[in-house]
Amino acid sequence: EAQVTQNPRYLITVTGKKLTVTCSQNMNHEYMSWYRQDPGLGLRQIYYSMNVEVTDKGDVPEGYKVSRKEKRNFPLILESPSPNQTSLYFCASGRKGLGTEAFFGQGTRLTVV
Amino acid sequence: SQQGEEDPQALSIQEGENATMNCSYKTSINNLQWYRQNSGRGLVHLILIRSNEREKHSGRLRVTLDTSKKSSSLLITASRAADTASYFCATDLYNTDKLIFGTGTRLQVFP
Repeated sequence: EAQVTQNPRYLITVTGKKLTVTCSQNMNHEYMSWYRQDPGLGLRQIYYSMNVEVTDKGDVPEGYKVSRKEKRNFPLILESPSPNQTSLYFCASGRKGLGTEAFFGQGTRLTVV
Repeated sequence: SQQGEEDPQALSIQEGENATMNCSYKTSINNLQWYRQNSGRGLVHLILIRSNEREKHSGRLRVTLDTSKKSSSLLITASRAADTASYFCATDLYNTDKLIFGTGTRLQVFP
């Protein structure tokens, strides 16, 4: 089954404790992206990647890191999480060129206390 | 900055009625897409319209695009309670690799 898999689905952590949210897709997509969703703000793009070893900042990259060492994986790293990073996070993937649909993971609800 | 903004923010209708939601955007685009989100879950793609198209249909969905006004509309005909969800437009910005989402319209369809 074609899918984008995020883990974990739910996470509660403390300020400053490094964490990684994993994202994996099995559709051989070149494009992968991370978004955060907050009430009233819609989805905001954090980082995206058009291919292996190619990553670019989205609109809200501060406090986040990503890497794209393999085509299927695109982990999101929070080196020192803060409460303002409490949010619902989505990973998405798509074919290169973006003229096609994006496939989304089920989301990771992160709470930083 | 937000590229797309949907209007209205929330919409409540009865089953069988039509639902129309609008999206406005700021800069030139390659294409515009509409997505649906059920209650905090992942978004699901509904339909894509390219910048050189004016109207597109898919089942009960009708999408229009007016590039001169930088706006699009999504019409859901004969709505059902199962259409209750949030709907987002997303724009594929011209000459970039970004896919930018709007703020969404929350649709409630009452049986």
